[in-house]
Parts: sequence; structure tokens; C-alpha cells
Amino acid sequence: NAGVTQTPKFRILKIGQSMTLQCTQDMNHNYMYWYRQDPGMGLKLIYYSVGAGITDKGEVPNGYNVSRSTTEDFPLRLELAAPSQTSVYFCASSYGRGNQPQHFGDGTRLSIL
Amino acid sequence: KQEVTQIPAALSVPEGENLVLNCSFTDSAIYNLQWFRQDPGKGLTSLLLIQSSQREQTSGRLNASLDKSSGRSTLYIAASQPGDSATYLCAVSEDDKIIFGKGTRLHILP
Repeated sequence: NAGVTQTPKFRILKIGQSMTLQCTQDMNHNYMYWYRQDPGMGLKLIYYSVGAGITDKGEVPNGYNVSRSTTEDFPLRLELAAPSQTSVYFCASSYGRGNQPQHFGDGTRLSIL
Repeated sequence: KQEVTQIPAALSVPEGENLVLNCSFTDSAIYNLQWFRQDPGKGLTSLLLIQSSQREQTSGRLNASLDKSSGRSTLYIAASQPGDSATYLCAVSEDDKIIFGKGTRLHILP
């Protein structure tokens, strides 16, 4: 099984550019999440989704947008890239709320210059 | 607001020793607690998940305990090996969200 797949693995953007980080899972999970991880800071939740057509804000949603048109895909969009968005972004999925382990992708390393 | 704290931030121990990693959380109204492992440049791998009604979970050389009333969990690693070197994160689940600690960087000395 592929599990959770994130693309691209690395990307460098200029300030003000936009891009979409892709995330897809093949486990038929209902819940999907986007996190960012800054050095020494743990993971912070950006957005999450409990099913197709449903999204909600996490702890640090400003500057990001998401959509969930299918169960499999949960793309994260940066509209106007800022240096503060330089980070490692992780997508995760789980079958249900709380009682199932999360499965993580390998991350996207994004630098904004 | 839920806060998850992991102590120590880094730990080095000789190979073969048993060790304990600590995790504390401020709000006991959680669904579960998970321990994850993260290797450099990689995503997170779930090691153990303890439901709020459970006291502990075991997998091989790993044992995780949960004391909800005191807001604490420990991850016990027996007979440590160099391959155990990684960052270990704990996370608590509440509502539809999961809140992570900052992790403990573990280095097992050969």
C-alpha cells in the first residue's frame, strides 16, 4: 500500500508566489490533516477534514486554504507565499476520530525566499 | 487550551540500557494518546496508541502508560539499540484534533 503520498518533496518559492501541496491517501480514511513542523517546535495543525466536502481550521490556518472534494485527496494551497511559511509540511490521515492511529506522509520541505 | 510537554528534549544513553521518555498534558479530557517516532527527514510513524480508558499498551520492547488523572504518559524502551535513535513525539487527541509535544531526541550510543 502507498499509504499517504505527498508531492512535491521539496520546493523553493519566491515571496508572493502561490502553490498547492498535494496529498492523497489510498486507505479510504475519513479524516485528513495538514501540519507544519518548524525546527524544535513540534507539529502544529493547519487544517483538517472529517470527510469529503468538510474542512475546518486548526491552530495556524492563516495564509493557507484547503479543499476536500474526494475522500482520497486533500490539497493545501498557499496563495501569497511569505518567509514565515518556510517549514516542513506533513499530511496525515486516520480512519476515524481519536481511536485510530494517524498515518503520515514523508513531508514537503518548502522554502520561501 | 491543551498543552503537551515532553521532557527531556534530548537524551543520550548507552546501548542496552532501559529508558523512559515522559509526556505531560494539561487537559485530561482526551480520547487517546499516541507515541510516534520520527526519523530525520521522514514523516511520523505511530508506535503505540492508548485509548483514554486504557492504562497501557505494549509492542515488542516498547511499553506506553497513561495516567489521565495526572495528565502523564511514559514511553518505556527496553534494551535500547542504536536503531532506536530518533525523535519520539507524543500527541493527545481531543475532539477532532491532535495536539503534539515538541518531542524528545533520543541518541543510543553504540
